[in-house]
Amino acid sequence: DGGITQSPKYLFRKEGQNVTLSCEQNLNHDAMYWYRQDPGQGLRLIYYSQIVNDFQKGDIAEGYSVSREKKESFPLTVTSAQKNPTAFYLCASRDSQSFHEQYFGPGTRLTVT
Amino acid sequence: ELKVEQNPLFLSMQEGKNYTIYCNYSTTSDRLYWYRQDPGKSLESLFVLLSNGAVKQEGRLMASLDTKARLSTLHITAAVHDLSATYFCAVDRGGSEKLVFGKGTKLTVNP
Repeated sequence: DGGITQSPKYLFRKEGQNVTLSCEQNLNHDAMYWYRQDPGQGLRLIYYSQIVNDFQKGDIAEGYSVSREKKESFPLTVTSAQKNPTAFYLCASRDSQSFHEQYFGPGTRLTVT
Repeated sequence: ELKVEQNPLFLSMQEGKNYTIYCNYSTTSDRLYWYRQDPGKSLESLFVLLSNGAVKQEGRLMASLDTKARLSTLHITAAVHDLSATYFCAVDRGGSEKLVFGKGTKLTVNP
């Protein structure tokens, strides 16, 4: 089955700790994205990557970092510099062949206390 | 800067009724997407609208796009409880392959 997986589903961390969220896709999509969703809000773009070994900041990149060493994988690190990290994080990949549609993973809910 | 506004943000309706959700955007774009999100879940793609006048229908939902007015509508016909969810529109940022999302419309369909 082709799709996007994110792990873990729920993550709890203490303030001051870095944490890495996993995103893997087997759809053979070139582009991948990380979004943050807060309650009652739309999605905001954190980082995106259109090709392996290259990535760009989105609208709210401060306090986050990413890597794209493999086409299938786009992990997101939430650093201690992120002032309000508690949120729902969604990873997506884009199909450049079919309407450039973005497909989303199941999400990771991060709680930092 | 591209801005996307949805209204209403909250919609409570009775089963069997019709209603329309509106999505306005501020700058030219040729691609608009509608997604559905159930509570605590991810986003599910509903419609992709690629050109002026595009109309797509799936079951009780119909989406349309007017690029000249920078407006898309999501029309609900004879609502049923299973349609209760949050609906997002998203607009492509002028070919940059980045999407800007509206804040979402939380739809509740009551028996």
